[in-house]
Amino acid sequence: GENVEQHPSTLSVQEGDSAVIKCTYSDSASNYFPWYKQELGKRPQLIIDIRSNVGEKKDQRIAVTLNKTAKHFSLHITETQPEDSAVYFCAASKDGSARQLTFGSGTQLTVLP
Amino acid sequence: NAGVTQTPKFQVLKTGQSMTLQCAQDMNHNSMYWYRQDPGMGLRLIYYSASEGTTDKGEVPNGYNVSRLNKREFSLRLESAAPSQTSVYFCASRDRNNSPLHFGNGTRLTVT
Repeated sequence: GENVEQHPSTLSVQEGDSAVIKCTYSDSASNYFPWYKQELGKRPQLIIDIRSNVGEKKDQRIAVTLNKTAKHFSLHITETQPEDSAVYFCAASKDGSARQLTFGSGTQLTVLP
Repeated sequence: NAGVTQTPKFQVLKTGQSMTLQCAQDMNHNSMYWYRQDPGMGLRLIYYSASEGTTDKGEVPNGYNVSRLNKREFSLRLESAAPSQTSVYFCASRDRNNSPLHFGNGTRLTVT
C-alpha cells in the first residue's frame, strides 16, 4: 500500500519568512495530493490540493509543487503570519481507491512574532 | 448546510463500558470514514464505507464496529472500551474518490 513520509515534524519560522514542508510517497499510481491544516483543538481542513496532471498550484500565500518522477510534493507558505501556526498534514490517493487518503504524520508549524 | 456533524463532543468512559459515536453528513456524499488521532501519530483510519450498505476495515479496526445506517449516517461503536482507545475521533466524508475529505469537529474520548 501507499506510504507517505512528511518532514520536518516541527518547524519554527519568524513572522514574514517562508515555510516549506515536504512529503514523499511510494505508490507511483497516486495522483491526488491534498494538504490539510489543523489548528489546535479543531478539525483538519483542506487548504490546497494538486492533481498529477499539474506541477504547481498557487492560492495567495500558499503553493504546492509536485515532482512525479521523484515522487515528492511540497507545501510552500510565504510571508508567514502568526495565524499560520498549526499542524499541517499531507496526503496521497489514487483513482479507484475509496479506501482512504494516506496521511503523512504531520508538521507542527510555529510562526514566531 | 451543516457539513459533517459528530456527537458527542466529549465522553469519559470506564474500562469495559460501551458507547456509540454518531456521525451524519448533509452533503449527499457517498463515502464516509472514521479516523482516530493520537499525539505524534497523525490520522489513522479505523473503518470506512465506500457507499451505503458497505463497510470495510481500515488500518486500526480492532475493538471497533461500524454501521452505515443510510447514506447520511455512519456510526462507530466501542463494545468494551479500553484505555488504549483514549483518543480524538474524527468522522469524515467525501463525494467520490480523489476529492477532498470533509471532517467533523471530533469527539474527545477518555477511557479510565
